[in-house]
Amino acid sequence: DTAVSQTPKYLVTQMGNDKSIKCEQNLGHDTMYWYKQDSKKFLKIMFSYNNKELIINETVPNRFSPKSPDKAHLNLHINSLELGDSAVYFCASSPWDMNTEAFFGQGTRLTVV
Amino acid sequence: LAKTTQPISMDSYEGQEVNITCSHNNIATNDYITWYQQFPSQGPRFIIQGYKTKVTNEVASLFIPADRKSSTLSLPRVSLSDTAVYYCLVGPTYSSASKIIFGSGTRLSIRP
Repeated sequence: DTAVSQTPKYLVTQMGNDKSIKCEQNLGHDTMYWYKQDSKKFLKIMFSYNNKELIINETVPNRFSPKSPDKAHLNLHINSLELGDSAVYFCASSPWDMNTEAFFGQGTRLTVV
Repeated sequence: LAKTTQPISMDSYEGQEVNITCSHNNIATNDYITWYQQFPSQGPRFIIQGYKTKVTNEVASLFIPADRKSSTLSLPRVSLSDTAVYYCLVGPTYSSASKIIFGSGTRLSIRP
């Protein structure tokens, strides 16, 4: 059973397009995150949700809009894609009382051409 | 959140014990020390967490001195499959502003 699953695994798209990445966790966790890992391999937090509510937005452009329809899902929608958005995006989840023990998905490699 | 400093890279050989040290001089009283491992093309994976002294699990040991200003992740008898990036993180386990901040990590390369 996959604990945190993301789809798609690979995404190639043209500049200016709108795309979504889906994330689901079956661990019963209350907190979910989106991270971006760029070509230099730095992992940066983008958003954090706790029980469907946005807790953290780390100065991400408003072209990025997370949506949490329920506690088990946190999707990421990106409008007007730019070349600089090319990266690997990781979804993660953690229990509310042990937020340092997070489970990560396999990542979505987004390439904007 | 306390800042961490760890070596950019390390090399070792199969069967050796590898120790990766992380400095966190500004660690706060309620901060825990957590280590993650990331293989190429995969998401980070939680390895071990501790508050003080020594913690051991089936994967690694974590040594934390009394002043808690540093910590050492110890991997016993490494194999080629331990080649990965290892991240040291410091922060409270529970915070109303829940987030996990990753530093630059240590790229560990294991040779035959």
